[in-house]
Amino acid sequence: ETGVTQSPTHLIKTRGQQVTLRCSSQSGHNTVSWYQQALGQGPQFIFQYYREEENGRGNFPPRFSGLQFPNYSSELNVNALELDDSALYLCASSLYSASGNTIYFGEGSWLTVV
Amino acid sequence: DAKTTQPPSMDCAEGRAANLPCNHSTISGNEYVYWYRQIHSQGPQYIIHGLKNNETNEMASLIITEDRKSSTLILPHATLRDTAVYYCIVRPHYNQGGKLIFGQGTELSVKP
Repeated sequence: ETGVTQSPTHLIKTRGQQVTLRCSSQSGHNTVSWYQQALGQGPQFIFQYYREEENGRGNFPPRFSGLQFPNYSSELNVNALELDDSALYLCASSLYSASGNTIYFGEGSWLTVV
Repeated sequence: DAKTTQPPSMDCAEGRAANLPCNHSTISGNEYVYWYRQIHSQGPQYIIHGLKNNETNEMASLIITEDRKSSTLILPHATLRDTAVYYCIVRPHYNQGGKLIFGQGTELSVKP
């Protein structure tokens, strides 16, 4: 158990719709990051949030956006869904500190776009 | 792009040691070697990390060569539940956020 929880575990959306995925970080962690994992591929970094602000982004378009709340929980929002957005979405939490950090992942949310 | 190279797949007999190699010839002085594994349909699981000394925990051992250009993850007594994709990743350990660059990993199959 990593203490990182994600919801929902599975969902199906129609092309063009919007989706919100949620994540609760491990207690004491102040950084949350999101990853997309297509079938058969390694996870790809989408972005990370630190102190409620985006603090690093991968090669994903602006229709992928997020929020981090004061309690360090987070949301990933994807607008105008495309078929290629079908993937496992992973949330990870860590403690951004000078003493080092290890990143822990949740079990993911499976998104299917039809 | 990932800074590591791993074999795409390996087999191991149950009860035997699984030795998973990783090349990271361009590793920087402040970068650590991390290992994660991902069992089918689950989130990646942290295994171990190290800088230059060999490390051991309850899950595995990590052997890093003296020049730090390669490493080996050792699962001392592999079980069927160790069947997974294993990822070797290099990144700074300090003052870093949550970004990891995953490669393709090694798919380890543990067979009875």
